Amino acid sequence: NAGVMQNPRHLVRRRGQEARLRCSPMKGHSHVYWYRQLPEEGLKFMVYLQKENIIDESGMPKERFSAEFPKEGPSILRIQQVVRGDSAAYFCASSLRSNTEAFFGQGTRLTVV
Amino acid sequence: GQQLNQSPQSMFIQEGEDVSMNCTSSSIFNTWLWYKQDPGEGPVLLIALYKAGELTSNGRLTAQFGITRKDSFLNISASIPSDVGIYFCAGPINTGTASKLTFGTGTRLQVTL
Repeated sequence: NAGVMQNPRHLVRRRGQEARLRCSPMKGHSHVYWYRQLPEEGLKFMVYLQKENIIDESGMPKERFSAEFPKEGPSILRIQQVVRGDSAAYFCASSLRSNTEAFFGQGTRLTVV
Repeated sequence: GQQLNQSPQSMFIQEGEDVSMNCTSSSIFNTWLWYKQDPGEGPVLLIALYKAGELTSNGRLTAQFGITRKDSFLNISASIPSDVGIYFCAGPINTGTASKLTFGTGTRLQVTL
């Protein structure tokens, strides 16, 4: 049973470009969370999705950031017109239900140059 | 917003010593999760707790769900160098329609030989 798969592991973008981060949850999991982590800091909640629905996006900036979890395929976190401050590690986690344990992917390290 | 406070923030211990860290909240939780994050990696689930008063072990790790449901602690016995990392507690916070998984501030553990 494969774990949570995130790709790419590392992503370099120039300022103004778009970044697309992918997350394939564990088999059977329909709940996906995205978190952002700066060096030496904790995990900051961004968005919580359940198949085709955004449940809570209170941690995601209203501009330039969007997330989706389509019926088929991985969850995508999209950052448009990236700026240097978007450089961080972005982690995805999935769970079977909302109140159960969540399992993390290896993260995508985004560097904006 | 609701927060999970972890203490201590960081600790240096000698190899072989026992470690204790805790997590507190002003809100009641129905689930407590403990994760460990190694440098450059995603958090890995260590222990999940679902009942007030529950005490669960995983090898040298023991975690307890506080009776008040507002706290939890994690103990590591006979620490070894590979215990180095950041330990996070987490719990689902009810957002109305669902629960989003929220993380504590983390306890950074460093082991000296």
